[in-house]
Amino acid sequence: NAGVTQTPKFQVLKTGQSMTLQCAQDMNHNSMYWYRQDPGMGLRLIYYSASEGTTDKGEVPNGYNVSRLNKREFSLRLESAAPSQTSVYFCASSEGLAGGNARQFFGPGTRLTVL
Amino acid sequence: LAKTTQPISMDSYEGQEVNITCSHNNIATNDYITWYQQFPSQGPRFIIQGYKTKVTNEVASLFIPADRKSSTLSLPRVSLSDTAVYYCLVGEGADKLIFGTGTRLQVFP
Repeated sequence: NAGVTQTPKFQVLKTGQSMTLQCAQDMNHNSMYWYRQDPGMGLRLIYYSASEGTTDKGEVPNGYNVSRLNKREFSLRLESAAPSQTSVYFCASSEGLAGGNARQFFGPGTRLTVL
Repeated sequence: LAKTTQPISMDSYEGQEVNITCSHNNIATNDYITWYQQFPSQGPRFIIQGYKTKVTNEVASLFIPADRKSSTLSLPRVSLSDTAVYYCLVGEGADKLIFGTGTRLQVFP
């Protein structure tokens, strides 16, 4: 039981490049989330998915797109990376309804640097 | 929106009990209170969740007064490995997923 896995662990991009961050969970959870965490800051929600086939914007969605490929996988895409998107990205999942009352399980994170 | 307020940092020594308080004056009827712990370079980890009164698990206790406008996370007999950032979350919907900057706990030997 791996929990929540994320790939890659580290990535360096040049401004304007695109990439997709992958996330998968093996807990049969309905809800999945993408957060970003800037140095010394808390986590900010980018997008979330309350169920397979649905996605919704979080606090900071601009510059990102997501896909809930199936119940297990939730990907985050940067179409044209900018230095302001340099951050650590965390994926999480939870049972039941998406939201603050749900117990979330987090992945190990992807450390992204945009030059 | 149930905005939360926590101390920015706290210091303690090994073996002491640590209490971290979170204020949430606008908590709604359906809102639970959830605490997470985050070590450097790792994702947050769920510690405890409660609705009212007291909740205890193998890691911590959570005290919630009757008016639910605040809550206190209690870590008994902390060790160096409890050095981390602790986040208090309050709220039901996805719009309530605001981690804030948390409380940075430093435990000294």
